[in-house]
Formats: sequence, structure tokens, C-alpha cells
Amino acid sequence: GIQVEQSPPDLILQEGANSTLRCNFSDSVNNLQWFHQNPWGQLINLFYIPSGTKQNGRLSATTVATERYSLLYISSSQTTDSGVYFCAVETGANSKLTFGKGITLSVRP
Amino acid sequence: DAGITQSPRHKVTETGTPVTLRCHQTENHRYMYWYRQDPGHGLRLIHYSYGVKDTDKGEVSDGYSVSRSKTEDFLLTLESATSSQTSVYFCAAGGTSSYEQYFGPGTRLTVT
Repeated sequence: GIQVEQSPPDLILQEGANSTLRCNFSDSVNNLQWFHQNPWGQLINLFYIPSGTKQNGRLSATTVATERYSLLYISSSQTTDSGVYFCAVETGANSKLTFGKGITLSVRP
Repeated sequence: DAGITQSPRHKVTETGTPVTLRCHQTENHRYMYWYRQDPGHGLRLIHYSYGVKDTDKGEVSDGYSVSRSKTEDFLLTLESATSSQTSVYFCAAGGTSSYEQYFGPGTRLTVT
């Protein structure tokens, strides 16, 4: 099956710093999503981005499907950005998502 | 996400007892999914449904069964719970207008 690798596995930032999270995948995809799992365990949809670039406030994401990677940018980080960021992809027609192992982000005040 | 609820949110049960988790969605999504999340493994697909009474296995389906008798409800059953099934279970739904999936709040299950 498809492989999804996220890097770095852990990231510690000072509040106000910027960061880039990376997701590499091993096959062409129909769907790519970024999620934020907050400290309470809730999974929050950030982006649905199988290709192209999207922005939502301080967050933006870019997927280069031909090169099989996606990047999530966080600017001016805040303590509320802390948590785990997951990349997930789907390759076939049945919409099953395969998740990466996640990136744990800690933003310090 | 909005429109997807799970019940119960927390449950403690004993080894060998049957357990049923419920997922309910209000957005008329075609596809519904059950995932489990464990430390070191991320989220893994247990079962999914692509329509009423249409279900299929995911990568960790052993020990689980599912049923979908209505579009809005997707049930996950552990026929005889084991300690290895202690986990956080997430339901998801999607596929109405795109491939995007939306997740419920999760159910924390502890099998003692």
C-alpha cells in the first residue's frame, strides 16, 4: 500500500516563529488532507489539498502531486497551535485514508 | 467535525464482553469509516461503508464487525472485547461532494 512519511517527527517553537511541516507519499493520490489533533484529542480538518496551494489565516498548504509531497506552513505560531499534525492520503476510488505517523508540535510562550 | 457524533464518548468494559460504538452523521455523507488510534501507530482503518448495508474491511479488522442499516448511522461492534482493543476510536464520514473526510470527537475505550 501507499507509504506516508512526515517530517520532522517533533518540533519545538518559540511563540511567533514560523515552521514548515512536510509530508511525502509514495504513489499518486486522489485526496490529501492535513489535520490538527489538539491536546484534547479532537481531529480538526485544516486542508483538503490533493494539489495546489491554499491558505487559511496563518496556515497555508501546498501539494506538488507530481513530486509526491505536501507542505504545511504555520506562520507566527501561537501556543494554541500545539498538538499533532497529521497528513493523510487516499489513492483509490473508495476514499480510504492512510495516515502518516504525525508531527508533534510544541509552541512555547 | 460538525454533524458527526459518537456515543459513548468513554467506556470501560471487561475482557470478553460485547461492546457497540455508535457513529451518527447528519450530512447525508455516502461513506463512513471507523479508525482506531494507538500510540506509535497513528490512525488505522478498521472498517468502512460505501452505502447502506455495503461495508468492507480495513487494515485492522480482526475482532470487529460493523453494520449500516441507515445512511446516518454506522455501528462498530467488538464481539468479545480484548485488552488489545483498548484504544481511541474515531468515526469519519465523507464523499458527498468531494473525497474530504470529517471526523467525530472520538470514543475512548478501555478493556480491563
